[in-house]
Amino acid sequence: EPEVTQTPSHQVTQMGQEVILRCVPISNHLYFYWYRQILGQKVEFLVSFYNNEISEKSEIFDDQFSVERPDGSNFTLKIRSTKLEDSAMYFCASKGGGTNTDTQYFGPGTRLTVL
Amino acid sequence: QKEVEQDPGPLSVPEGAIVSLNCTYSNSAFQYFMWYRQYSRKGPELLMYTYSSGNKEDGRFTAQVDKSSKYISLFIRDSQPSDSATYLCAMRNNYGQNFVFGPGTRLSVLP
Repeated sequence: EPEVTQTPSHQVTQMGQEVILRCVPISNHLYFYWYRQILGQKVEFLVSFYNNEISEKSEIFDDQFSVERPDGSNFTLKIRSTKLEDSAMYFCASKGGGTNTDTQYFGPGTRLTVL
Repeated sequence: QKEVEQDPGPLSVPEGAIVSLNCTYSNSAFQYFMWYRQYSRKGPELLMYTYSSGNKEDGRFTAQVDKSSKYISLFIRDSQPSDSATYLCAMRNNYGQNFVFGPGTRLSVLP
C-alpha cells in the first residue's frame, strides 16, 4: 500500500540554524500539507499546497517557514532560523483529487529538537 | 472556549467493551468531520470521515455527528488491545483546507 514517507525521523539542531524537513507524498496525490504537534498538545495545521503554490496557511506559518516541491516527488518544509519553541513533531500529509477528497494520509513524522 | 474539545483521558476499558469517544466544537460552520487514530510516535491514521449530520458505520467503528448540538462521537464495538491509541477528532468548514484537530483522547484497552 502506498504511504507518505518523511526524513529524517529525528532532527536535532541548534537555535538559529536552518532545517529542512523532507516528505515524499503518495505519488498520484495533488494536495500536500504540513502539520505540527508539540509534545502533549494537539495537531496543528501549518500549510496546504496545491498546484505548486500555497493554498492556505495558519498563523503559525510565519516568514520563518517556507515550503517547496522541488521536483515531482519531494515536498519540503524549511524553517529558516529555528527557535526553541519550534521543537515538535512535524507531519506531512497528502491527498488525492478524487471523490473522497478529504482523506489525508499522514507520514510518520519528523521529531525536531531545537537546543 | 476552545474551538474543538475532547476529554484527554486516559480512558481504560476491558477488552470487548464498547467505547464511546466524543468531541464538542464551537464553530457552526464545520461540515466535515474526521476521526483519526494515532499510535505513540506515529502519524495520525484516518478511521472515519463524515459530512454534515448523521451516522456512518465501518466494521467495529460507528461515527455520529449531531450538528444541532455541535457534538460528534466515535463508538468502538468489541474493543481490542490493539485499539489502544490516542483518538483525534478533526473538522473543517466548506471552504478551507485547514482541519482543526481536537487534543485527542488516550484510550487503553486492557486484555
